[in-house]
Amino acid sequence: EVQLVESGGGLVQPGGSLRLSCAASGFSFTSYAMNWVRQAPGKGLEWVSGIRGSGGMTYYADSVKGRFTISRDNSKNTLHLQMNSLRAEDTAVYYCAKALRYSINPNDAFDIWGQGTMVTVSS
Amino acid sequence: EIVLTQSPGTLSLSPGERATLSCRASQSVSSNSLAWYQQKPGQAPRLLIYGASSRNTGIPDRFSASGSGTDFTLTISRLEPEDFAVYYCQHYGSSPGTFGPGTKVDIK
Repeated sequence: EVQLVESGGGLVQPGGSLRLSCAASGFSFTSYAMNWVRQAPGKGLEWVSGIRGSGGMTYYADSVKGRFTISRDNSKNTLHLQMNSLRAEDTAVYYCAKALRYSINPNDAFDIWGQGTMVTVSS
Repeated sequence: EIVLTQSPGTLSLSPGERATLSCRASQSVSSNSLAWYQQKPGQAPRLLIYGASSRNTGIPDRFSASGSGTDFTLTISRLEPEDFAVYYCQHYGSSPGTFGPGTKVDIK
């Protein structure tokens, strides 16, 4: 079964850090770019970051550039998102999502999504 | 950055009725790189349509989509009880890809 399972969410104070993980199974992980998409409570979807299948190139939304770092461990079929300098506006459910077709271009439709992990930034 | 606008914000219909959802882009979407997702409360989004009109694997044929350039449409021919949800469009023809604000289809 093709599956993505996120972990690592929780409550963190403003200015703090958190590392999210996404474990992939059921498909050739290195063959696809991967992304993080977030959804603030009661709001719409926002693309956050993407990474090529090889991990060589990374992409970020302006809202998180310089604070978040996406990475992947292809030996463990795992995607990560290191989040530093967290702000209240980063509060959201964070989903990892698989690119539909490409390994080199994360900018794609997303055909597989995890169940999401909640990040709450509050004092 | 391309901005997507979806209309209407809410669509109130009865089971069996036809639903027509609109997604308009602020600039032309290259290569018809437009996708539609369905999201139910407490669930992750599900990819319905990619490439403006191609149904994803396992999506019932009551879901269809069309459009090009800046104007795109998702049609649900006959609403089933499980179709009441929020629908988002997404463009991915240029970076960064963005999502529309969503259309909620609720039961009349």
